Amino acid sequence: AQKITQTQPGMFVQEKEAVTLDCTYDTSDPSYGLFWYKQPSSGEMIFLIYQGSYDQQNATEGRYSLNFQKARKSANLVISASQLGDSAMYFCAMREVYSGNTPLVFGKGTRLSVIA
Amino acid sequence: DAGVIQSPRHEVTEMGQEVTLRCKPISGHNSLFWYRQTMMRGLELLIYFNNNVPIDDSGMPEDRFSAKMPNASFSTLKIQPSEPRDSAVYFCASTTTSGTTYEQYFGPGTRLTVT
Repeated sequence: AQKITQTQPGMFVQEKEAVTLDCTYDTSDPSYGLFWYKQPSSGEMIFLIYQGSYDQQNATEGRYSLNFQKARKSANLVISASQLGDSAMYFCAMREVYSGNTPLVFGKGTRLSVIA
Repeated sequence: DAGVIQSPRHEVTEMGQEVTLRCKPISGHNSLFWYRQTMMRGLELLIYFNNNVPIDDSGMPEDRFSAKMPNASFSTLKIQPSEPRDSAVYFCASTTTSGTTYEQYFGPGTRLTVT
């Protein structure tokens, strides 16, 4: 079974600073994908970034980067130059990717608050 | 593209009533997922379909819940009879086997309140 653990219920960061949101995972699948989603107060789920288990390089998407440490089973999200609009819930998720489309397993989330 | 469409966006109903949630996936996507979000349990899978066929419904809480996907462009999630503990946000998501990111695209969700 797959499991995602996000140990930070809430985080505060100063505007323009970088912040790291922690995510650890557990799986016995050899091929899997790791995802981060953002959920602002309006409620929609916004895809941010994806990392495949066999990807050699850490994924980056604009101000978002994923610090993937396979041996530690961690997939931390780094947001650089935080903006007020980054205040939201952030969910780490995973699924196995070798047998077609499979469901996501989500962590409990981290609420990020960006302070001006 | 219009994205994943869900209706209604908000539903308030009384205990015992039937509730039907609707989802239109992104055109061309061949997988559809129903998730439920609550404060206590977070985001959890209810059921998912590949090519309109239900693959895993082990997350459906009980027989009061049922889901159908009669064609590639429409799915329903029905609760009959509804109970206050069913109050949650229900998300529909779709994806495709083509491409390389395996991203799931979420609809805006239906906020269900059962009184």
